[in-house]
Amino acid sequence: AQKITQTQPGMFVQEKEAVTLDCTYDTSDPSYGLFWYKQPSSGEMIFLIYQGSYDQQNATEGRYSLNFQKARKSANLVISASQLGDSAMYFCAMREGWSGAGSYQLTFGKGTKLSVIP
Amino acid sequence: EPEVTQTPSHQVTQMGQEVILRCVPISNHLYFYWYRQILGQKVEFLVSFYNNEISEKSEIFDDQFSVERPDGSNFTLKIRSTKLEDSAMYFCASAQGPTNEKLFFGSGTQLSVL
Repeated sequence: AQKITQTQPGMFVQEKEAVTLDCTYDTSDPSYGLFWYKQPSSGEMIFLIYQGSYDQQNATEGRYSLNFQKARKSANLVISASQLGDSAMYFCAMREGWSGAGSYQLTFGKGTKLSVIP
Repeated sequence: EPEVTQTPSHQVTQMGQEVILRCVPISNHLYFYWYRQILGQKVEFLVSFYNNEISEKSEIFDDQFSVERPDGSNFTLKIRSTKLEDSAMYFCASAQGPTNEKLFFGSGTQLSVL
């Protein structure tokens, strides 16, 4: 079974609108972390946001927020007020296990290509 | 903001040749990683490195691969005898420690094996 599933290969959004990118995950570990990364066409991986499994509140970083629904095992990324520069691939990733082990062996999803339309 | 630096950005090599990919992690980070992304595919974990030794490695990281931290700043990935299927984008990443939840990636080295 896939550990990280991103069901939307591609998404379009109008500039200034909000968009939600879906991510579901599969783990039996009670301690895990969920990440979102942005990969522009230039190729670099840019950290956007992190949510720990024990975090009580949904993570937010500027225009990015993570809609964490633990019971449904979903960690959707919400981008508010989309900008042309948001056009990129977006990857959801998961780290399983106790963070104290210092392990960042992330499992990535296949990604969603977001295109922002002027 | 501090960043992870990778060189070169592109590397072209002949099959069977050795390549060394270089990374300078963020200066106060203690945990170092290599990931790779074959064109159009998922990003895959290769290896993690802490306290001058490998802490985890994936099935991909076979005897042809090695990592080293030769001095206080550089972190290298060596592929001893490259194969066509090693062609990929290789990402270095670093994290401050087990309580720091941000894993920062470099901009990658695109390796092309001919």
